[in-house]
Amino acid sequence: QKEVEQNSGPLSVPEGAIASLNCTYSDRGSQSFFWYRQYSGKSPELIMFIYSNGDKEDGRFTAQLNKASQYVSLLIRDSQPSDSATYLCAVNMDTGGFKTIFGAGTRLFVKA
Amino acid sequence: DTEVTQTPKHLVMGMTNKKSLKCEQHMGHRAMYWYKQKAKKPPELMFVYSYEKLSINESVPSRFSPECPNSSLLNLHLHALQPEDSALYLCASRPADRDTEAFFGQGTRLTVV
Repeated sequence: QKEVEQNSGPLSVPEGAIASLNCTYSDRGSQSFFWYRQYSGKSPELIMFIYSNGDKEDGRFTAQLNKASQYVSLLIRDSQPSDSATYLCAVNMDTGGFKTIFGAGTRLFVKA
Repeated sequence: DTEVTQTPKHLVMGMTNKKSLKCEQHMGHRAMYWYKQKAKKPPELMFVYSYEKLSINESVPSRFSPECPNSSLLNLHLHALQPEDSALYLCASRPADRDTEAFFGQGTRLTVV
């Protein structure tokens, strides 16, 4: 089992729709979870982080965490063509060695 | 200063060359990382330094040799690379606390010919 799993997509949504991105992780002791956005040829940039169970909202983005199910998701409301990118889920593993592991990433296309 | 700076931005090297990638941050972060990223793949963890000591080596071939001379600098020494080592090499840093995000540099695009 991979440590962090995502559906690689591509996920295609029309402009203005909600995009839903999902991620599962294997280390039950993990405490912190991140969503990064990466445009082609660029480095990852942080979109959201979440540490506690439940929802966390920031503008058009909502991160959801369920530690019992080892599941974290990202919702993008009112999707824009500029949101088209690869979204990477990252988990700080509870190893004491500062190990941050990325999922395979989900490619999102927002159609105008 | 909230940046992680990587040099060079692009590097082309032959299989017999020796080169180094450099990474610098002045945010006081005590955990620094090297990731390798191939096209359409996620960043793959190579090395982690915490408090200037190598804490994680993800079974990386010895032709890649990391070095952390001080708390602000991280190097990756390259020797006898193969064409399949061509990739984007990303440096990242974060505070030495597990509940924090990593800040990434812009990467070095490496081509091995």
